[in-house]
Amino acid sequence: EAQVTQNPRYLITVTGKKLTVTCSQNMNHEYMSWYRQDPGLGLRQIYYSMNVEVTDKGDVPEGYKVSRKEKRNFPLILESPSPNQTSLYFCASSFATASNQPQHFGDGTRLSIL
Amino acid sequence: AQKITQTQPGMFVQEKEAVTLDCTYDTSDPSYGLFWYKQPSSGEMIFLIYQGSYDQQNATEGRYSLNFQKARKSANLVISASQLGDSAMYFCAMRGISNFGNEKLTFGTGTRLTIIP
Repeated sequence: EAQVTQNPRYLITVTGKKLTVTCSQNMNHEYMSWYRQDPGLGLRQIYYSMNVEVTDKGDVPEGYKVSRKEKRNFPLILESPSPNQTSLYFCASSFATASNQPQHFGDGTRLSIL
Repeated sequence: AQKITQTQPGMFVQEKEAVTLDCTYDTSDPSYGLFWYKQPSSGEMIFLIYQGSYDQQNATEGRYSLNFQKARKSANLVISASQLGDSAMYFCAMRGISNFGNEKLTFGTGTRLTIIP
């Protein structure tokens, strides 16, 4: 089954404790992206990757890091989480330059930073 | 810069009625795509329908259709014969390509649709 898998689905942690949210897709997609969803703001892009070892900032990259060492994986790293990073996070993937194809989303990761 | 505007924060609709969710957009890209996603209370994002900027006909997918008016920059979602399972948050999104090939989706703030039995 074609899917984007995120882990964990839920996490409650404390300020400053490094965490990683994993994202894996099995559709051989070149393009992967992270979004955060906050009430009243819709979804905003954090980082994206056009292919292996090619990553760049989105609209709200502060406080986040990513890596793309393999095509299928695109982890999101919070080196020193803060309460303002409490949010619902989505990983998405698609074929590059396939503008008529939807981005496939993971089921989301709900992070609470205390 | 791209922008999506959804002016209806919430809507209540009687079951079996049709419902129109509004979406207007702004972009300077000559080529773009418009998407609608559904987010039920469980949180996942479900793709519903796509409309390309050069498509001549309005997109349809089952009970979903997209009323695309390019000159007005609107891409409203129409759900026919609404069902209780249609209760969810609905997001309109646009895909454009920046100079660096980022195919990001720009989302609106969403419309929460509630279907009343």
